[in-house]
Amino acid sequence: DAGVIQSPRHEVTEMGQEVTLRCKLISGHNSLFWYRQTMMRGLELLIYFNNNVPIDDSGMPEDRFSAKMPNASFSTLKIQPSEPRDSAVYFCASTEGHSDTGELFFGEGSRLTVL
Amino acid sequence: AQSVSQHNHHVILSEAASLELGCNYSYGGTVNLFWYVQYPGQHLQLLLKYFSGDPLVKGIKGFEAEFIKSKFSFNLRKPSVQWSDTAEYFCAVNGLYDYKLSFGAGTTVTVRA
Repeated sequence: DAGVIQSPRHEVTEMGQEVTLRCKLISGHNSLFWYRQTMMRGLELLIYFNNNVPIDDSGMPEDRFSAKMPNASFSTLKIQPSEPRDSAVYFCASTEGHSDTGELFFGEGSRLTVL
Repeated sequence: AQSVSQHNHHVILSEAASLELGCNYSYGGTVNLFWYVQYPGQHLQLLLKYFSGDPLVKGIKGFEAEFIKSKFSFNLRKPSVQWSDTAEYFCAVNGLYDYKLSFGAGTTVTVRA
């Protein structure tokens, strides 16, 4: 089985540009998480979807960030406009069920650098 | 709110040495506990988890962790490390029936050959 697939693996962009990160869930999983990892703040949960519905977006930093799940197997995280402080590794993770067992399967991450 | 504290930021040790990484959590209820590992340039992978039952949990690659409820701790151990154990280790916790997994800041382990 393929794992969680994220793209792009690396993105370098200039401040003010739009960034779209993509995630494909493991087949059969119906819960999706977007995490951000930085040296200063560690791993932060940005948003959680269950059955394509956003359940908790309290971790989304501000209105510049938006996430969608247009179908059961795919999600996007968009930053518009991007800022240098958005530079981080963004991880997508999926699990089956409502994830109360907490075993998440992570993608390899998208390393974003905003100049 | 739940929180996770990992005691060590960076641990350096030689091959065959024993490893113990501390993890304490704060949560007002029944918890699930996890250790994840992130090898250089890779994604996080589950090492082991505790839901209930025997508080001594064995995971992959010879790792084990002990849940001590009275101390709110879930320390990770390995009796003899290898160079390939060089990685970052994250302790994580969520409440029973709670999807929100909180991660500690991570401990970087460097094993010298």
